[in-house]
Amino acid sequence: GENVEQHPSTLSVQEGDSAVIKCTYSDSASNYFPWYKQELGKGPQLIIDIRSNVGEKKDQRIAVTLNKTAKHFSLHITETQPEDSAVYFCAARAPGGATNKLIFGTGTLLAVQP
Amino acid sequence: SAVISQKPSRDICQRGTSLTIQCQVDSQVTMMFWYRQQPGQSLTLIATANQGSEATYESGFVIDKFPISRPNLTFSTLTVSNMSPEDSSIYLCSVTKGADTIYFGEGSWLTVV
Repeated sequence: GENVEQHPSTLSVQEGDSAVIKCTYSDSASNYFPWYKQELGKGPQLIIDIRSNVGEKKDQRIAVTLNKTAKHFSLHITETQPEDSAVYFCAARAPGGATNKLIFGTGTLLAVQP
Repeated sequence: SAVISQKPSRDICQRGTSLTIQCQVDSQVTMMFWYRQQPGQSLTLIATANQGSEATYESGFVIDKFPISRPNLTFSTLTVSNMSPEDSSIYLCSVTKGADTIYFGEGSWLTVV
């Protein structure tokens, strides 16, 4: 089955710097890769996603890149702000079967220092 | 997107008791899921809640421990049965909107004492 690895587990940056979180997946058939932000005491919030027919997607300060050959995808946050501090999870979904089952990475705790 | 409401948002439960968590969505959705997030951990899928039929459980989760109902396309419940301290977790309802976009509720934070 699918396995998703996520690095780093913690990341501390200065306000205004960029942050990059990387994930690798094992199932080459996976075709959908969302990223979630989870603030303390809240549920995961979808912030951006990418499908396997696209190499990069951007939404304001957030971008995701996908390298299907290497089976890895990354989240890029530019001009970080203290409110970006949260735990970020990547996930991958393999097609087939009756469900849209997501396999999650282990999470990255991002701390943006003011 | 989807507005997903979960009840209760938090609870402290005695070991050996059972608790039912409700999930209400603001619109009809094809698929509903229940996830568990243990303290400081990632999300693990418990089961897919199927409308009108038995839920589909993932490896390591069984119906006797986590019975699930889904009477219609906007509502589901998850029961955590015969709770032990190891069941202390966040239980999250999620739904699929569109082809494959998955949204989560705010979670139900359970502490078993």
